[in-house]
Amino acid sequence: NAGVTQTPKFRVLKTGQSMTLLCAQDMNHEYMYWYRQDPGMGLRLIHYSVGEGTTAKGEVPDGYNVSRLKKQNFLLGLESAAPSQTSVYFCASRHNLAGDQETQYFGPGTRLLVL
Amino acid sequence: SQQGEEDPQALSIQEGENATMNCSYKTSINNLQWYRQNSGRGLVHLILIRSNEREKHSGRLRVTLDTSKKSSSLLITASRAADTASYFCATWGGSFQKLVFGTGTRLLVSP
Repeated sequence: NAGVTQTPKFRVLKTGQSMTLLCAQDMNHEYMYWYRQDPGMGLRLIHYSVGEGTTAKGEVPDGYNVSRLKKQNFLLGLESAAPSQTSVYFCASRHNLAGDQETQYFGPGTRLLVL
Repeated sequence: SQQGEEDPQALSIQEGENATMNCSYKTSINNLQWYRQNSGRGLVHLILIRSNEREKHSGRLRVTLDTSKKSSSLLITASRAADTASYFCATWGGSFQKLVFGTGTRLLVSP
């Protein structure tokens, strides 16, 4: 199993450009998450999904949109990139079989630089 | 806002020494998890301790939980250079739908 994969690994955008980050998992997980990680801030939740076709806002959702059209994929979109969105983005997923005993599996991250 | 706060923010030790990092959290919990992040990589789950447990071991890892003080500690014994990483505690928020992570402790183990 590949686990959680993210595409692309690195991207440079100009302010105002748009892009989509792709997260894919092959573990048949119900829940998927997008986080951003900035120095000194830890991980902050952007959006998450508890199942195919459903999404919910996290801690810092502004400027981002998400879609979960297929169970294995979770897309994060930036409609008009801003320098404040320069960050490392992590996707994660987990089962919902054991409730709060579940742990999350993380992808390798996408480094985004917005100029 | 962050549910967990790790302390210290950074820790530098020599190989063979023990490393202790602490996590404080704000609300009542069912369990607390610790994750490790190697530089430039995603987080990897290390250990989960339930609220009715006071101590748990996994290899060279020892985790304690004090629910009365809303705090947990992670002890890495006989540290190795490969233990160099950031360590995060995490607790559940919002109907067990999402994990909330602390700001992390950066551990540097020198040979």
